[in-house]
Amino acid sequence: EAGVTQFPSHSVIEKGQTVTLRCDPISGHDNLYWYRRVMGKEIKFLLHFVKESKQDESGMPNNRFLAERTGGTYSTLKVQPAELEDSGVYFCASSQGRTRTQYFGPGTRLLVL
Amino acid sequence: GQSLEQPSEVTAVEGAIVQINCTYQTSGFYGLSWYQQHDGGAPTFLSYNGLDGLEETGRFSSFLSRSDSYGYLLLQELQMKDSASYFCAVRDRGSGGYNKLIFGAGTRLAVHP
Repeated sequence: EAGVTQFPSHSVIEKGQTVTLRCDPISGHDNLYWYRRVMGKEIKFLLHFVKESKQDESGMPNNRFLAERTGGTYSTLKVQPAELEDSGVYFCASSQGRTRTQYFGPGTRLLVL
Repeated sequence: GQSLEQPSEVTAVEGAIVQINCTYQTSGFYGLSWYQQHDGGAPTFLSYNGLDGLEETGRFSSFLSRSDSYGYLLLQELQMKDSASYFCAVRDRGSGGYNKLIFGAGTRLAVHP
């Protein structure tokens, strides 16, 4: 069984540009989460999808971030326009039902110059 | 606010036992999870405590005391491959009764020969 995959693994962009990150969860997992780790600090929750619906987006930092999960499969997280403080590692995780275990992807390392 | 405290670094030798502590202060609490992350890799689920007491999984054990808002991860018979970052994470109630994870900043474990 394939794990959670994320694309790209690394992205370097200039301030003001747009970047779109993609996450493919484990097949059949209804829950999809986005997290972010900035500058070696704690991993912080961004938002949670249940199928295609946003269940909880309380962690989204501002309206420059837009997450979608059309069709309830893969998800994208767009940052537009990117700012320097958006640099960090963006993780995606998925889980099935209300299980306690979330399975994480390897992350996308974003550097905004 | 919500916070989890864990040591930033721990060093140990092969074959030894190491304990990584985690104290938390969160608005909600459903359980404490532990994740392992090797450099550049995905956080990998290790253990979960929903109730007070000790959970054992092979060389790894985890303990929880809800009255003390405290838990620890115990790693026995350390191996070089255990060198990684270890995160404690509180399973908190997000919107609609689903989970979200609140992470500590991570403990970097270095195992030496």
